[in-house]
Amino acid sequence: GENVEQHPSTLSVQEGDSAVIKCTYSDSASNYFPWYKQELGKRPQLIIDIRSNVGEKKDQRIAVTLNKTAKHFSLHITETQPEDSAVYFCAAIRFGNEKLTFGTGTRLTIIP
Amino acid sequence: NAGVTQTPKFQVLKTGQSMTLQCAQDMNHNSMYWYRQDPGMGLRLIYYSASEGTTDKGEVPNGYNVSRLNKREFSLRLESAAPSQTSVYFCASSVAGGRKETQYFGPGTRLLVL
Repeated sequence: GENVEQHPSTLSVQEGDSAVIKCTYSDSASNYFPWYKQELGKRPQLIIDIRSNVGEKKDQRIAVTLNKTAKHFSLHITETQPEDSAVYFCAAIRFGNEKLTFGTGTRLTIIP
Repeated sequence: NAGVTQTPKFQVLKTGQSMTLQCAQDMNHNSMYWYRQDPGMGLRLIYYSASEGTTDKGEVPNGYNVSRLNKREFSLRLESAAPSQTSVYFCASSVAGGRKETQYFGPGTRLLVL
């Protein structure tokens, strides 16, 4: 089955700096990669996703890149703000499969 | 639309007691999921239901049972609660099939087993 590894487990950055979280996956057939943000005490919420037919996707300050050859994908947050402090989860799935495989999460702390 | 709803929000049980966690979605999604979240362990799949009338085991099914009551509702039952089942439980749903695999989560149920 699919295995997703996520690094780092914790990340602290100064407000205004950029943050990068990386994930690797094992199943070369995986073709959908969502990122979820979970604020303290809240539910995980989708913030951005990417499908395997594109290499990069951007939404305002958030971007995701995908390297299918190396089987890794990354979340990039620019101009970080205090409200970006949360736990971020990556995930991977193959279309037609029912089960998302999640990474173990990255706790991002933005230092004012 | 309420999205995915869960009841109760918080529950305290004694070891050996039973309870059912309820989940409902109003997005006409086909697939529904139950996860547990423990500190440092991420989200682990307990059971899922690809469609009404079907259920399958996930990564950590022991000690749990599920029922897909209809397309909207998917319940999780603990027959004899154990302290190891203390966790936050999230229900999720997705359209499934085709190219729509995004999962939407409920607000969670915090369970404490003493």
